[in-house]
Amino acid sequence: QSALTQPASVSGSPGQSITISCTGTSSDVATYDIVSWYQQHPGEVPKLIIYEVTKRPSGVSNRFSGSKSGDTASLTISGLQTEDEAYYYCYSYANTTYLFGGGTQLTVL
Amino acid sequence: QMQLVQSGPELKEPGASVKVSCKTSGYSFTNYEMNWVRQAPGQGLEWMGWINTRTGSPTYAPGFTGRFVFSLDTSVSTANLQIRSLKAEDTAVYYCARGRGNGRSFFDSWGQGTPVTVSS
Repeated sequence: QSALTQPASVSGSPGQSITISCTGTSSDVATYDIVSWYQQHPGEVPKLIIYEVTKRPSGVSNRFSGSKSGDTASLTISGLQTEDEAYYYCYSYANTTYLFGGGTQLTVL
Repeated sequence: QMQLVQSGPELKEPGASVKVSCKTSGYSFTNYEMNWVRQAPGQGLEWMGWINTRTGSPTYAPGFTGRFVFSLDTSVSTANLQIRSLKAEDTAVYYCARGRGNGRSFFDSWGQGTPVTVSS
């Protein structure tokens, strides 16, 4: 059981916006700005899409954005596209170590 | 151009050992820490720990102590993961990932992954 809790699945239609949450505790996610997000298409290598809660690496679409409120970090994808269908993982310092959330499967209907 | 190129797929029997290598190029190897991440079939990502590429000092995540060994060969800019006394549950894809921030805050470049299958 991961100490970072993500919904198992979310879905949306092309053009819509969705948000994936990543919930830790008041002593980790809430305290440290060390949340990153990774996109992984089946059979492919994970790709960094957000780091340090809100920062976007060069080359990543500005449709991806990150935020944090209290012990919950969030990834928002706006203007959903079919190629956004993938698994998304948060990663942070939590429970005295670093770990990934359990992952969220995004389906674009 | 930065690259992390891992060694090829491995098929091992239970009780054996395996060594996965991660050869880097396109950046100064000792300027960035190296992390290891495991992904079991159909499962999520697990952070295994990291190694300080200047000192060679490893740090293992809970659940990855004892049979897992991180090492370096700085002469060829390569990080290695050795797993001893392999078990069926070690069957997974193992990734090396370059650490940023404090060395393990986030990972900006990944190897292609090395599938390790443990089966008799």
